[in-house]
Parts: sequence; structure tokens; C-alpha cells
Amino acid sequence: DIQMTQSPPSLSASVGDRVTITCRASQSISSYLNWYQQKPGKAPKLLIYAASTLQSGVPSRFSGSGSGTDFTLAISSLQPEDFATYHCQQSYSSPYTFGQGTKLEIK
Amino acid sequence: QVQLVQSGAEVKKPGSSVKVSCKASGGTFSSDPISWVRQAPGQGLEWMGGIIPIFGTANYAQKFQGRVTITADESTTTAYMELSSLRSEDTAVYYCARAALLLHGFDSWGQGTLVTVSS
Repeated sequence: DIQMTQSPPSLSASVGDRVTITCRASQSISSYLNWYQQKPGKAPKLLIYAASTLQSGVPSRFSGSGSGTDFTLAISSLQPEDFATYHCQQSYSSPYTFGQGTKLEIK
Repeated sequence: QVQLVQSGAEVKKPGSSVKVSCKASGGTFSSDPISWVRQAPGQGLEWMGGIIPIFGTANYAQKFQGRVTITADESTTTAYMELSSLRSEDTAVYYCARAALLLHGFDSWGQGTLVTVSS
């Protein structure tokens, strides 16, 4: 199975900050990397697929980059509604494994 | 716009089975891959397996092989996940999720079903 490792596990930031979250795959997954946002008690929401393509309706302050084994999710100017947990997921091969999540908290 | 509506919360005894349903509306149910993902309390997301209804054959994560059965009924556009030999570690929220294209991630999710395993 492909292992997905996210860092950091948690992150404190302020409204207006730029933040980045990284995700590393245990083997090359080309660009088959997706990012999700999850708020407490809610289902995950797809933000970015194929490493860098913004899902319809997702604000442009979110961006993704990377290929191979190393990927990054960036949020350019944090808004209050962005404080949540973010998960990466590889869709290169089954089982479609997720990272352990990064909790983004208000400083 | 695909909507997925799951069945309600369950409380089960260790050793028993649970079957969770996921009713889909919108989209093209027969050809849309449907997966099941679970999340234990305070933990990350874990892919359990999936199915493309028109093909009928499910694909499971090795961890759950032999304990999970995923099926789909095209006539009612409903997918099911049955997990057997339940243990306390199976206490989790179970989600169904749909991908228009598996490579592009899960773009629609059910609301989640809490399964509690307790004696």
C-alpha cells in the first residue's frame, strides 16, 4: 500500500496568513493527489484534484502543487471559514490511502 | 449535482454485523464509482473499498478483506456496505463517497453514519 504522510499534524495561524501543508507519498503517484477540507461533524469536501486542479466552486486562495512524491496545499490569505482539518489522498492505486490529516487552528 | 443520503446511526454488539445504505440521486449511478471511507473518533480517513455498480464487482482494502461486503442495487440507486465480526475498533463514522472519475477524487459524500460497537 502507498503510505501518505502529511506535515505538520497541526498548525496555528491567523486570519490573513499564508499557510502551506505538505503531503509525501511513499512512492511516486504522478499527479494523482487530492486534497479535502473537513469541518467538525461534517463530511470531507474535495478542494483540489490531480494535484493542482481546483474543484468547481472552491475559492482561488486555495492552490495545490507537486508531482511524484511531494505535494503542497497552499492557502494564500486565510479566512475564518478555512479553519478546519485538511486531508490528502492518493488516487494512483488501490487502496486509495489518505494522509493522517492536518488540523488548522486559529492563533 | 449528486446527492448521497445514508442510513441512520447504529449500535451493535461485538461479533455482530452492520449494513449501511447510501441512496444516490443525480449523476449516473450505474457508472459512477462509489467508495466507502471510515473515520474513527479523532482519527484520519480510511478507504475500505469501492464498487462501480454496472460492473458489480467490488474492490476492497486488504485490511478489510473477508469482513466487508460492498454491493449496489441499480434499480434503487443504492449502495450498501456490510461489515461483519464487529469489534470495538470498528466504532467510527462510515461515509459513502462518489467519484465522477476515481483518479480525480471523491466529489460527493454522504452525511456519514455513526456505527458504535459496544457490549
